[in-house]
Amino acid sequence: QSVLTQPPSVSAAPGQKVTISCSGSTSNIGNNYVTWYQQFPGTAPKLLIYDNNERPSGIADRFSGSKSDTSATLGITGLQNGDEADYYCVTWDSSLSAIVFGGGTKLTVL
Amino acid sequence: QVQLVQSGAEVKKPGASVKVSCKSSGYTFTNYAIHWVRQAPGQRPEWMGWINAADGSTKYSQEFQGRLTITRDSFASTAYMEVSSLRSEDTAVYICARDPLEDAGIYFDYWGQGTLVTVSS
Repeated sequence: QSVLTQPPSVSAAPGQKVTISCSGSTSNIGNNYVTWYQQFPGTAPKLLIYDNNERPSGIADRFSGSKSDTSATLGITGLQNGDEADYYCVTWDSSLSAIVFGGGTKLTVL
Repeated sequence: QVQLVQSGAEVKKPGASVKVSCKSSGYTFTNYAIHWVRQAPGQRPEWMGWINAADGSTKYSQEFQGRLTITRDSFASTAYMEVSSLRSEDTAVYICARDPLEDAGIYFDYWGQGTLVTVSS
């Protein structure tokens, strides 16, 4: 069981928008920055969003991040077939004194 | 270009130890930290610990206290992760990742390719 809760799966049609939620607590999301990673099968995760809402160079502005209180959200607009992947939220947990990953959300582009 | 290249797959018996290397190139090794993350088949990634490449200070997840050792060789720009007393549940892909050590959040901007460690009798 992860201390960060994500929906197991989300789906939407190409061109549509999808959001992936990540729910935590004051010991993690509430007082720390959130990062989002994208992972394709058999490959290492790829940095999508850091510091809650910052995009690294090379990441399309179709990807966005936000945080409010103890929850964070990843938004993806203009869905493409190539966006089908697993998405993980990650942050520091002060109680556990550890970096924690959410359970992951599998995005299906219909 | 930044690259983190890990050592090859390992097969170990229960009770043994495994040491995985992560060689960095394309940046100044001592300006960053290296984290280790593992991912069992079909599971979410799990953070194990990290090392500050500049001073060698480390921090480990409590899940691995006593079994995990992370070291680095600054001259070789290489970080190492060793897990002892292996059990079948340690079968996973072990991945190193670079941390820019910025003042705000902790994040990993470059990752190694992963090393499969299989623990089986």
